[in-house]
Amino acid sequence: DTAVSQTPKYLVTQMGNDKSIKCEQNLGHDTMYWYKQDSKKFLKIMFSYNNKELIINETVPNRFSPKSPDKAHLNLHINSLELGDSAVYFCASSQVNRASKGAFFGQGTRLTVV
Amino acid sequence: GNSVTQMEGPVTLSEEAFLTINCTYTATGYPSLFWYVQYPGEGLQLLLKATKADDKGSNKGFEATYRKETTSFHLEKGSVQVSDSAVYFCASDTGRRALTFGSGTRLQVQP
Repeated sequence: DTAVSQTPKYLVTQMGNDKSIKCEQNLGHDTMYWYKQDSKKFLKIMFSYNNKELIINETVPNRFSPKSPDKAHLNLHINSLELGDSAVYFCASSQVNRASKGAFFGQGTRLTVV
Repeated sequence: GNSVTQMEGPVTLSEEAFLTINCTYTATGYPSLFWYVQYPGEGLQLLLKATKADDKGSNKGFEATYRKETTSFHLEKGSVQVSDSAVYFCASDTGRRALTFGSGTRLQVQP
């Protein structure tokens, strides 16, 4: 019973393709996130949703589109993939009124664009 | 804006050595502070946290104290093990409901 699960764990695809990464949390949290970790391990917030509402949208190409069908799910769709999109993408969740508890992370999706 | 700065790695230590990984933050107000650990091929796990000045977070032998006067949250462990080899991230909450991370510090512990 994984708290935050994301699929797939590995994704290898060609440039120009469209792909999706799925994320689900069973912690009852009201906020979910997507982070990108580059090859130097640097972590950067991409998006944040609270109760299905987009609240953080950092400077990310509009080829990236998050979708939150309900509070427990936040999927990431990427159009027209580019080589520079290769990275590890982490989903996370937290409860906003308990922000001091920190966030819980999924295992990551390693995306490789060839 | 908010930012977190931590010492660059890698940090290479022998087993049972003392560990310090420095972390300082800038923020408006008083953020909560965290240390996360990432073992090879895995996601991030919350290691410890502190929510206000002078709080000490601790877990698995690791400790960090929230120092408002120096805006620091340094991670320490008295005796590291090979199994502690990982990347350690310092983070603060931004008040915008997302964590701001430091750049990560790789720790390598040799037997």
